[in-house]
Amino acid sequence: AQSVTQPDIHITVSEGASLELRCNYSYGATPYLFWYVQSPGQGLQLLLKYFSGDTLVQGIKGFEAEFKRSQSSFNLRKPSVHWSDAAEYFCAVATYSGGGADGLTFGKGTHLIIQP
Amino acid sequence: DVKVTQSSRYLVKRTGEKVFLECVQDMDHENMFWYRQDPGLGLRLIYFSYDVKMKEKGDIPEGYSVSREKKERFSLILESASTNQTSMYLCATSKPGETYFGPGTRLTVT
Repeated sequence: AQSVTQPDIHITVSEGASLELRCNYSYGATPYLFWYVQSPGQGLQLLLKYFSGDTLVQGIKGFEAEFKRSQSSFNLRKPSVHWSDAAEYFCAVATYSGGGADGLTFGKGTHLIIQP
Repeated sequence: DVKVTQSSRYLVKRTGEKVFLECVQDMDHENMFWYRQDPGLGLRLIYFSYDVKMKEKGDIPEGYSVSREKKERFSLILESASTNQTSMYLCATSKPGETYFGPGTRLTVT
């Protein structure tokens, strides 16, 4: 069965510093990978996704992620964080079968704290 | 604009009550999903549906059932609510490559 691991429950970063959130997945076939962000009291917003092709994916709000098949990883990065980036971040993998989309398997999330 | 709506943002129910959570989408998507979100556990898939009258169990279906009588509507049913079902419930729909989430229903069972 597929699984997603986000090793860091909390991460604290100073405003203006760079950020990397880790994500490792376990899935037998070619993975479809996603990063979502959830601000306090808000719904889930898609940051970026990877299906195939270029392993470096650009997303919204200045985020990017790199797919590394050899490491089963899909880490999220941002060169310079802003206070508004404080939120919960979720990595997810999609699975599909003959009937269609089987849904997303999520990691447990990483809570990002921004220090002034 | 894409729209997934859930009938309530907040709901308080008593132990043993039958609870219905409704989700409606206006995108004509075949696939619909129910997740629950708990702190420290992320989102977990409860049930999903490929088409009208069809349903499949997700990772944590125990204590829940679903109904899909029309393509646009997917209901989650708690037959006899228990305190461990206090959670945030998120409905979603998808087409290939895209998943759209509703705003969520925060259910408290007392």
